[in-house]
Amino acid sequence: QKEVEQDPGPLSVPEGAIVSLNCTYSNSAFQYFMWYRQYSRKGPELLMYTYSSGNKEDGRFTAQVDKSSKYISLFIRDSQPSDSATYLCAMEDNYGQNFVFGPGTRLSVLP
Amino acid sequence: GAVVSQHPSWVICKSGTSVKIECRSLDFQATTMFWYRQFPKQSLMLMATSNEGSKATYEQGVEKDKFLINHASLTLSTLTVTSAHPEDSSFYICSARDPPREAQYFGPGTRLTVT
Repeated sequence: QKEVEQDPGPLSVPEGAIVSLNCTYSNSAFQYFMWYRQYSRKGPELLMYTYSSGNKEDGRFTAQVDKSSKYISLFIRDSQPSDSATYLCAMEDNYGQNFVFGPGTRLSVLP
Repeated sequence: GAVVSQHPSWVICKSGTSVKIECRSLDFQATTMFWYRQFPKQSLMLMATSNEGSKATYEQGVEKDKFLINHASLTLSTLTVTSAHPEDSSFYICSARDPPREAQYFGPGTRLTVT
C-alpha cells in the first residue's frame, strides 16, 4: 500500500461544476496537509495548507481533513477552465520531516 | 505568498558536460531547500534536502557525486548535474521552506535536455 493515494484521473467536468479531489493516507503521524496545483511544465503552486483535522476555505477552494479516516479533500466551486491542471495533495509529520506527495489528479474543466 | 525562482528555465547541453541550476527564495530566508525531479506525467520525486551551511541529504538511489548540491546562503541553493547523460534529461524543481508557515514553496522548474 502506498503511503498516499490519490485518484489519478483524468477528471473532466463542465465549467461551473463543483469538483471534489481526494487523498487517502496510511501514516497516522501526518499532521500538516497541503494541496498544490501544477500546470503543465510549471512548478507546483501552494493552494491550501492546513493543520490537523477540520475545514479551511479560501475563495472557491475548501480543504477538508478527517484524520480519523485518514482522508483529505479539496473542493473547487464554480470551476473554471483555468482550473485545468494536476492537483497534488501533500502531507508531513509533526516534526517537519517525511514530506510526501500524492501521485496527482489531472483535472480538465471544459468550457 | 512566498516566491521562489529558478534559473535557467530551460537548458540544453551535450552529453558529458555539467550544468548548474540555481534556486533562489526572493522574499524570504529559506533554511531548508529541496530538489525534485519529475518525469512526464509522473509525480515529483525528492532527490535531496539541503540546509544552509551543511551538506545535503540525498534520497536513496540518488548519486551524490553526480548531483552536487550547494546551499551557500539562506536565499540560494544550486544543483549541478555533472557529466550529464541523456537519461538525466528531466524537469528539475526546487522548493524552499519558509519556517513560520512550514509549507514548501516551489520554483517554476528547469527543463534539462541532454543531447
